[in-house]
Amino acid sequence: GQQVMQIPQYQHVQEGEDFTTYCNSSTTLSNIQWYKQRPGGHPVFLIQLVKSGEVKKQKRLTFQFGEAKKNSSLHITATQTTDVGTYFCADPGGGADGLTFGKGTHLIIQP
Amino acid sequence: NAGVTQTPKFQVLKTGQSMTLQCAQDMNHEYMSWYRQDPGMGLRLIHYSVGAGITDQGEVPNGYNVSRSTTEDFPLRLLSAAPSQTSVYFCASSYSIPSGRVRQETQYFGPGTRLLVL
Repeated sequence: GQQVMQIPQYQHVQEGEDFTTYCNSSTTLSNIQWYKQRPGGHPVFLIQLVKSGEVKKQKRLTFQFGEAKKNSSLHITATQTTDVGTYFCADPGGGADGLTFGKGTHLIIQP
Repeated sequence: NAGVTQTPKFQVLKTGQSMTLQCAQDMNHEYMSWYRQDPGMGLRLIHYSVGAGITDQGEVPNGYNVSRSTTEDFPLRLLSAAPSQTSVYFCASSYSIPSGRVRQETQYFGPGTRLLVL
């Protein structure tokens, strides 16, 4: 089935440093979603990207969708301790009426 | 609105026991689904439903049954629990907003059920 590959699996940063996670698909995506899961919590929807080359910002978070709609990224500027968690990309069109999730990037922030 | 609720929060089972994980949503969403989350594996779809009376299998359906008799409820049944079913289970519901050919399915997740099978 269709897969979305996400890297890195883990990222350690000092508080205040930037963070980026990448999501890649072997096939063209109709759109892509991003979720955040705090430790011990449940995934929470962040954003959906639909258009080729789309860039969306939410405060310190910047989301990009590649021109070919095969990759996406999430960039966090000046990380804070509240950013700790796992960030997942997800393909809503993965062959079933559910999401195909990437394996997630665990963001660990050292004060 | 309570959103998506799941019970129980924690459960310990012995191998071979059966149980039902409950999921309910009060947002009148058509779509509901069950995922399991395991370390290093991300979230994997077990079963899903596009409306009352309609269910289908996801990526990892073996050992699980579902039914959807009402829009609100989507229980997940473990028929004969096995240690491999130790996991965190999330129920999710979603709405579908037609946008040209793009279907938006923002998923709202419940708090999860942590299951240990001994």
